[in-house]
Amino acid sequence: GQQVMQIPQYQHVQEGEDFTTYCNSSTTLSNIQWYKQRPGGHPVFLIQLVKSGEVKKQKRLTFQFGEAKKNSSLHITATQTTDVGTYFCAGRDTGRRALTFGSGTRLQVQP
Amino acid sequence: DGGITQSPKYLFRKEGQNVTLSCEQNLNHDAMYWYRQDPGQGLRLIYYSQIVNDFQKGDIAEGYSVSREKKESFPLTVTSAQKNPTAFYLCASSISLDRTNEQFFGPGTRLTVL
Repeated sequence: GQQVMQIPQYQHVQEGEDFTTYCNSSTTLSNIQWYKQRPGGHPVFLIQLVKSGEVKKQKRLTFQFGEAKKNSSLHITATQTTDVGTYFCAGRDTGRRALTFGSGTRLQVQP
Repeated sequence: DGGITQSPKYLFRKEGQNVTLSCEQNLNHDAMYWYRQDPGQGLRLIYYSQIVNDFQKGDIAEGYSVSREKKESFPLTVTSAQKNPTAFYLCASSISLDRTNEQFFGPGTRLTVL
């Protein structure tokens, strides 16, 4: 079945450093979504990408969807302590009705 | 949060007992979902429903059951057949299943089976 992998599993950065998490699917995706889960909280939707090669920005966050629609990335510029949490990608391939979530990347930011 | 409520936040049960987790939404969403999250892992889909009186198994449905008698409610029963039920359970909803809509999550229920 469909598998969605994320790397790294965990990253610890100094405040002000950049951070990137990568999401790779075993199948072609019709769309990809990104969620953030703060420690002790629940996932909150960040953004959705649909088109091949699409790039979207939200302030310091940049999201990319690969040309083959099998991978995606989230890049945070100049991290802040408010960025702490686990970032999940979630995608749906053409043969499946529900989303498959990646394993997540836990980000820790040292002030 | 997001119009989805889950109760209780923490739940303790003895091994061998069935337990039902509640999930209610007032967003008028057609689709609802149940996920399980284990420490350091992603979200795994247990069951989902696209409409009242209809639901489908997800990736890890064994040992779980659901019902969808009302649009607003999607309770999950963790049965004694579930071998390792201790986990964080998240309920979510979206406008529909077929469109590429964002999912709204409830605050979750942390179940501990002793």
